[in-house]
Amino acid sequence: QAVVTQEPSLAVSPGGTITLTCACSTGAVTSAYYPSWFQQKPGQAPRALIYSASDKYSWTPARFSGSLLGGKAALTLSGVQPEDEAEYYCLLSCGGAWVFGGGTKLTVL
Amino acid sequence: EVQLVESGGGLVQPGGSVRLSCAASGFIYSSYWMHWIRQAPGKGLVWVSDIDSDGSRTRYADSVKSRFTISRDNAKNTLYLQMNGLRVEDTAVYYCVRGLIAVTGLGDYWGQGSLVTVSS
Repeated sequence: QAVVTQEPSLAVSPGGTITLTCACSTGAVTSAYYPSWFQQKPGQAPRALIYSASDKYSWTPARFSGSLLGGKAALTLSGVQPEDEAEYYCLLSCGGAWVFGGGTKLTVL
Repeated sequence: EVQLVESGGGLVQPGGSVRLSCAASGFIYSSYWMHWIRQAPGKGLVWVSDIDSDGSRTRYADSVKSRFTISRDNAKNTLYLQMNGLRVEDTAVYYCVRGLIAVTGLGDYWGQGSLVTVSS
C-alpha cells in the first residue's frame, strides 16, 4: 500500500504560524485524495480537525486551516496556542485504501 | 449525542482470535460507513478496515487481509471486527470510527478504543 509522509517533528513559538505537510508516495496530492487532519493528545482518542482538504468541523478552531500546497496536503496553524501542542496526523485516500501519515509531533516552545 | 463504545479486547495468545464489538448510538447507524483504526503503543494511527452502510462492501489494509473480517448488524447498531491468526504486531488500541455522510472521509466521531494485547 501507499506510504504517506509527514514531518516527524516541528516546533513553534506561541503566537506563531506553522505549516504541516502530507505527501503520498503515489504522486501529487489532490482533492481526490480527500485529505483529512486529526489532532491527538496523550491518552486521548484523535480529534478530527479538517476534511476534504480544507473543510472544517463545527468544533475546529478558526486558527486551523487546511489546503493543497505544492502537491501536498497542508495544515496551517496561525496564532499557535500552548494547547496546540500535540501529535497531528493526516489521512489520505491513496492507492485504493485509507492511509495515515506517521504523524507530526508539534511542540509549542 | 453520538456514541461509539468498543468492547471485546483483552489478552490473547499469538495465533488466537478475538472479536471486537462497537455499539453505536445517537445517529442513524445504517446510513454510515464505519471503520476500524488501530494504534500500537507509542506508535501512529493505522487504518485497518471499513464497511459500507449496508455491509455489502468491505476493504482491508494489506497487513490484516485474510486474517480480519469486518461486519455489521444494522438491526443492533453494532460493528464487529473478527480477528484471527493474531500476531504480536497486532497489539494495539482498536478504535471504532464513523465515516462522514455526504462526503468521502471518516473520523468525525471515535470510540474510546479497546486494547488488544497479543502475547504468550
